[in-house]
Amino acid sequence: DQQVKQNSPSLSVQEGRISILNCDYTNSMFDYFLWYKKYPAEGPTFLISISSIKDKNEDGRFTVFLNKSAKHLSLHIVPSQPGDSAVYFCAAALSGAGSYQLTFGKGTKLSVIP
Amino acid sequence: NAGVMQNPRHLVRRRGQEARLRCSPMKGHSHVYWYRQLPEEGLKFMVYLQKENIIDESGMPKERFSAEFPKEGPSILRIQQVVRGDSAAYFCASSPGGTHGNTIYFGEGSWLTVV
Repeated sequence: DQQVKQNSPSLSVQEGRISILNCDYTNSMFDYFLWYKKYPAEGPTFLISISSIKDKNEDGRFTVFLNKSAKHLSLHIVPSQPGDSAVYFCAAALSGAGSYQLTFGKGTKLSVIP
Repeated sequence: NAGVMQNPRHLVRRRGQEARLRCSPMKGHSHVYWYRQLPEEGLKFMVYLQKENIIDESGMPKERFSAEFPKEGPSILRIQQVVRGDSAAYFCASSPGGTHGNTIYFGEGSWLTVV
């Protein structure tokens, strides 16, 4: 039972354009969401997070949007750069007991074409 | 390097041998987590430890796997009598606190190959 789903295994975007990575979740108890970026043979690197009390969080070229009613979040990268090419993981956490435990999606491989 | 340190980065074991993976958390972090990533999958939570305590091992396989975080030294994930299905990337992570909102930082991973 996959509680966090990233339905697009891969995405290709032209340099300078917007990249939009999507993530859906099924557990309405999740109230904290994170995006991690991962290069091959390296560990995930934290990018940006959002609490369920917000619907948007922005950090430089990265913006995460949260739609609680749709149980959907997205990561926007503007403008996309070749160095952004990596696998992006969406993760979710519960409040209360077990709040430390992240549930990850399977990842979306982003390729930014120069 | 003040990040989460894992070693070895790559480990090859024959079926039936033991694998030991070590993790030193970031400076100032007392909460350690182990995650496993199987091929083509996302990361899956295995265990959460604080110094000398296992807080949650609900993601650990019932047999052959154990973890510790002693008072001194790194956290160790131990896999006894390895099988081919244990081949995966094992990621250690740490955080300053144990609740969400405390960002979890990952190490570079240990790749275990069982032959």
